[in-house]
Amino acid sequence: LAKTTQPISMDSYEGQEVNITCSHNNIATNDYITWYQQFPSQGPRFIIQGYKTKVTNEVASLFIPADRKSSTLSLPRVSLSDTAVYYCLGDPGAGSYQLTFGKGTKLSVIP
Amino acid sequence: EPEVTQTPSHQVTQMGQEVILRCVPISNHLYFYWYRQILGQKVEFLVSFYNNEISEKSEIFDDQFSVERPDGSNFTLKIRSTKLEDSAMYFCASSEAGGRMYEQYFGPGTRLTVT
Repeated sequence: LAKTTQPISMDSYEGQEVNITCSHNNIATNDYITWYQQFPSQGPRFIIQGYKTKVTNEVASLFIPADRKSSTLSLPRVSLSDTAVYYCLGDPGAGSYQLTFGKGTKLSVIP
Repeated sequence: EPEVTQTPSHQVTQMGQEVILRCVPISNHLYFYWYRQILGQKVEFLVSFYNNEISEKSEIFDDQFSVERPDGSNFTLKIRSTKLEDSAMYFCASSEAGGRMYEQYFGPGTRLTVT
């Protein structure tokens, strides 16, 4: 089971760009890097997924260096509604479809 | 946008009682999952279900747990004899297909309180 490491918490002011970095030293060569978001008292929600380089969608960007040992989730111009826990998912192992959540990064956006 | 629904939103039960948590996955999805989250802790995988059988389960999913797809739309989690430590938020999820590249859509959860 490949473990991920990310900061426990981060604070940011509204309107700023937030970057959350996750290390996943033992990621499998064929595994995707996936990030989920969870608001209080709600189920997790998929944000973005990538394999290498950069992926961008309407919510976030994901930067993955060539060695794939880390990834950075970038949230442009955060608002109060972006206050949530952000999870970088670990690799559960070959043939497993389960999502493996760590403790995540609790992002608090301050007015 | 289609969504996963769960009922009830909150269930209170006494220790030793049986509970059934219900979920309606997204209609064209083929894989179904249950996760739980004890208050203040991380989300934990319980079980995945495909083609009317369990495809994977965790150590948490012991003999007191069972899952069923009783008809074409519902997916249920049964806990036969609840314990205090079963108190948690239970999330149902579904995906179009298996594999980490397929997004899992989570429901809003059922908060189970065992007294």
